[in-house]
Amino acid sequence: AQKITQTQPGMFVQEKEAVTLDCTYDTSDPSYGLFWYKQPSSGEMIFLIYQGSYDQQNATEGRYSLNFQKARKSANLVISASQLGDSAMYFCAMREAMDSSYKLIFGSGTRLLVRP
Amino acid sequence: DTGVSQDPRHKITKRGQNVTFRCDPISEHNRLYWYRQTLGQGPEFLTYFQNEAQLEKSRLLSDRFSAERPKGSFSTLEIQRTEQGDSAMYLCASSIHEQGTRSPLHFGNGTRLTVT
Repeated sequence: AQKITQTQPGMFVQEKEAVTLDCTYDTSDPSYGLFWYKQPSSGEMIFLIYQGSYDQQNATEGRYSLNFQKARKSANLVISASQLGDSAMYFCAMREAMDSSYKLIFGSGTRLLVRP
Repeated sequence: DTGVSQDPRHKITKRGQNVTFRCDPISEHNRLYWYRQTLGQGPEFLTYFQNEAQLEKSRLLSDRFSAERPKGSFSTLEIQRTEQGDSAMYLCASSIHEQGTRSPLHFGNGTRLTVT
């Protein structure tokens, strides 16, 4: 079974508008962390934001915020005031505390294109 | 903090040849991970090291693949008798291992392998 599901292969957004990228996850571990990464065309994976399963508040980092709905097992990324430089692939990932490797499991990604 | 460094950035090889990639993690990071990313997909876990010990290998890591991390510093990933299906981006990441799920993986720019 897929642990991380990103159902939007591609998204468009107008510059300066907000956009939501969807992510659902599946785990039986009560302790886990959720991450979002950005991958521009140059290839590097850039860490954006983290949400812990026990965190009481939704995470925010500048223009990035995470809409964490634990009961629905969703962790959607919200990008406010989109900029042209936000055009990239975005990956949702999960780490389970029971997994001693602490590896991240990634979804298949969403390609975001910001229109001027 | 100079970031995670990978070498080479690109490698083109003929089927059947051996290739070796190098990763230099962030110096204080004790965990090092290798991932493979094919076009349009998220990174897939291959293997990881804690210091010099290789503690987990994915079933994706066939017998033709071997990874080392001598002295717990840089790491190498070797692919023997390359096949066209090995064509992918190979990503290295490092992190500090600490309690909790919070610490992100820091990725290098990757090595793009093309097998002709």
